[in-house]
Amino acid sequence: LAKTTQPISMDSYEGQEVNITCSHNNIATNDYITWYQQFPSQGPRFIIQGYKTKVTNEVASLFIPADRKSSTLSLPRVSLSDTAVYYCLVGAPYSGGGADGLTFGKGTHLIIQP
Amino acid sequence: EAGVAQSPRYKIIEKRQSVAFWCNPISGHATLYWYQQILGQGPKLLIQFQNNGVVDDSQLPKDRFSAERLKGVDSTLKIQPAKLEDSAVYLCASSLRRPGLKIYEQYFGPGTRLTVT
Repeated sequence: LAKTTQPISMDSYEGQEVNITCSHNNIATNDYITWYQQFPSQGPRFIIQGYKTKVTNEVASLFIPADRKSSTLSLPRVSLSDTAVYYCLVGAPYSGGGADGLTFGKGTHLIIQP
Repeated sequence: EAGVAQSPRYKIIEKRQSVAFWCNPISGHATLYWYQQILGQGPKLLIQFQNNGVVDDSQLPKDRFSAERLKGVDSTLKIQPAKLEDSAVYLCASSLRRPGLKIYEQYFGPGTRLTVT
């Protein structure tokens, strides 16, 4: 199982771009990188997933270098409502019927200030 | 579409009592997960079902926890007897997991907050 390391907390201000980096040195060939967001008293919510290079959707971008040993979640122009815990996970989307092997770490607590 | 439903939302019990949580996944999702989330930590996978079969229960404390998913739809997680350290939020999630699907997304329910006194 690939282990991930991310900062415990980060602060930023409204309107700024926020980049959260995750290290996953032991990522396997079949593993994808997935990010989740969690607000207090709610279950985690999927943000974005990628395998290599860059992936962008309507809420975030995910940058993955060629060696895939790290990844960066980029949140453009954050607002107060982006204050949440962000989790980086690695694992295979489908491993032939077996376990997914996804493990949530402690996540990064992002605090956005006015 | 309707999301993952869980009940109850809150439960307070005394130690050594038993408790059960119910989950109804999104229609058509073959994979169902139960997680335990202790305050300040990330969710910890307890058990993963594929249809009505267990594919991972390596972190389930089997001496006190049990889970079933009859008919491959709803699922129940039970704790008997409960301990103080079982106080946590129990999250259920489901996903559409099949070969060739590259986007791996779990849909989480609101969770059940359990307090053991």
